[in-house]
Amino acid sequence: DAKTTQPPSMDCAEGRAANLPCNHSTISGNEYVYWYRQIHSQGPQYIIHGLKNNETNEMASLIITEDRKSSTLILPHATLRDTAVYYCIVRVAFEDSNYQLIWGAGTKLIIKP
Amino acid sequence: KAGVTQTPRYLIKTRGQQVTLSCSPISGHRSVSWYQQTPGQGLQFLFEYFSETQRNKGNFPGRFSGRQFSNSRSEMNVSTLELGDSALYLCASSTEGSLNEKLFFGSGTQLSVL
Repeated sequence: DAKTTQPPSMDCAEGRAANLPCNHSTISGNEYVYWYRQIHSQGPQYIIHGLKNNETNEMASLIITEDRKSSTLILPHATLRDTAVYYCIVRVAFEDSNYQLIWGAGTKLIIKP
Repeated sequence: KAGVTQTPRYLIKTRGQQVTLSCSPISGHRSVSWYQQTPGQGLQFLFEYFSETQRNKGNFPGRFSGRQFSNSRSEMNVSTLELGDSALYLCASSTEGSLNEKLFFGSGTQLSVL
């Protein structure tokens, strides 16, 4: 079962910051939060990931609450090309050394001109 | 570096046939995972290979199988195709497949079963 909950869709104006929320209230101490996005029928594209500290890279920022039960992905200046389905994923550890991505339904983000 | 390459990009088969999909990971990556994506079920994990060994398998029937070669290239096979196997099949690679390691995805193979 998916370990994350996201709103099914969101709109954002071009040039504004897009803030995508995610709840992961059952996350365990050693499980990472990953964000990917997918443009229709293409492979998912990695955006960012984190454990408990806030993270920033050239694409986005990830804000994780202190209790780790939720996070927010921030696209600082959204463009039309950022229109995609955004997945918040918890990477869980199974036995041995296998770590898999458990995908939820994602948020369809539409950037409007 | 070249990205993850999946072939073919599109495939059309009929029920009862079998199909083999191929995935070439990024050079130096030894972990290859396979995912199935359908409109109804979303993205679901099929299996993962590391150094030619299957490390884990998702909840799919035995008709779905895979293997990994010494150069880390991987193939997955689906036998006795069913209509419900129509999906986008995605391959992802990473260096070791560890928790703190991002996966790189290919563009996928779109399989249609008629």
